Amino acid sequence: DTEVTQTPKHLVMGMTNKKSLKCEQHMGHRAMYWYKQKAKKPPELMFVYSYEKLSINESVPSRFSPECPNSSLLNLHLHALQPEDSALYLCASSQDQVNTGELFFGEGSRLTVL
Amino acid sequence: DAKTTQPTSMDCAEGRAANLPCNHSTISGNEYVYWYRQIHSQGPQYIIHGLKNNETNEMASLIITEDRKSSTLILPHATLRDTAVYYCIVRVGFQKLVFGTGTRLLVSP
Repeated sequence: DTEVTQTPKHLVMGMTNKKSLKCEQHMGHRAMYWYKQKAKKPPELMFVYSYEKLSINESVPSRFSPECPNSSLLNLHLHALQPEDSALYLCASSQDQVNTGELFFGEGSRLTVL
Repeated sequence: DAKTTQPTSMDCAEGRAANLPCNHSTISGNEYVYWYRQIHSQGPQYIIHGLKNNETNEMASLIITEDRKSSTLILPHATLRDTAVYYCIVRVGFQKLVFGTGTRLLVSP
């Protein structure tokens, strides 16, 4: 199994809603990542988890709250988002944070904030 | 942090080799060059990476100049399915891959 699975594929939410994006991998990877991608732009790194601990936060607003409950699962909790937060949210994983640049990406969750 | 410069777009005829250049003149000695691609509406896909030597795998070849200031990704026989945005990335710190603007490759029949 070399897949990173993201759910839901599409999400529409209002600015007062609370929702979560989910990411799962069963490759035994110990580093997991959230990227944000606006239309026609490259992916931008948001968070990195290494061995279930947050190791990088790229100054992301607190309305985005990551969580890594175990080594296979990564969540992104969303609260009080703005319309400009509408984007494709990509999850990725790698063997660890140190040795390799081979990130395995999921297909993304496309978020629309109304 | 080393930055990369890539052409905005390139065209290639199906069956021909696609040669995608990348400049990374400020790369430091221990930084790797990575290539990923992103087909429309999909997540990025790893292609290849290298440090100093040329590299080849089942997808592509990576040619890095001796001074490491530039590199070229070669898709030997491009197909329509190779139409994508190709990102040249220099590894920044531990696993902090920063994507540049990339090259939009269009493969035509």
